[in-house]
Amino acid sequence: SYVLTQPPSVSVAPGETARITCGGDNIGSKSVHWYQQKPGQAPILVIYYDTDRPSGIPERYSGSNSGNTATLTISGVEAGDEADYYCQVWDGISDNQVLFGGGTKVTVL
Amino acid sequence: QLLVQESGPGLVKPSETLSLTCNVSGGAITSSTHYWGWIRQPPGKGLEWIGSFLYGGDTFYKPSLERRVTISVDTSKNQFSLRLRSVTAADTAVYFCARQRVGGKVPYYCDHWGPGTLVTVSS
Repeated sequence: SYVLTQPPSVSVAPGETARITCGGDNIGSKSVHWYQQKPGQAPILVIYYDTDRPSGIPERYSGSNSGNTATLTISGVEAGDEADYYCQVWDGISDNQVLFGGGTKVTVL
Repeated sequence: QLLVQESGPGLVKPSETLSLTCNVSGGAITSSTHYWGWIRQPPGKGLEWIGSFLYGGDTFYKPSLERRVTISVDTSKNQFSLRLRSVTAADTAVYFCARQRVGGKVPYYCDHWGPGTLVTVSS
């Protein structure tokens, strides 16, 4: 079955750029969506269809998807960006199911 | 503004059935542009999709849970429900309900989430 692979953690200094990867076989052929989850809260959508940003999400959040890797980029990281981030796709090839990556904890140093 | 809210028992005994309801306000679950689904998160772990339905359309379940899961809908109350049978401690999790945008006839991204409810499986 299809697997999404994320690094467990990413550390970044304030003002720097955080890049969170989501690996999967030919993931560039799928639509990837990204969520931010802070402790004790429900996830919120930060990027959908690889690159689109919902209203209210800062322009500092951007996405890309090509080949075997999708990437969520957070520019000018702020303390409030510290959270867990999950990628998500629809796997309609091996199984008909929604799949989440394992999640990446972003720590702001 | 769309609001979704989970409700149900916080404690279920092993081998019994977990039952949760998601109440939806500010939007119709009969929408043709949105799936409605359940996602769970075991303590300290990641998100796991359980299943989603489109009113008048398809219902999809996570293959490894399909034998134990049923999602049903009550349009008169604008709510939908989750039943998970034969639970074990491994089913202990925060359960979220969410609205998902339709993408090419299948459930895509979750654009609205409930706050989640913790269900513990224990005797």
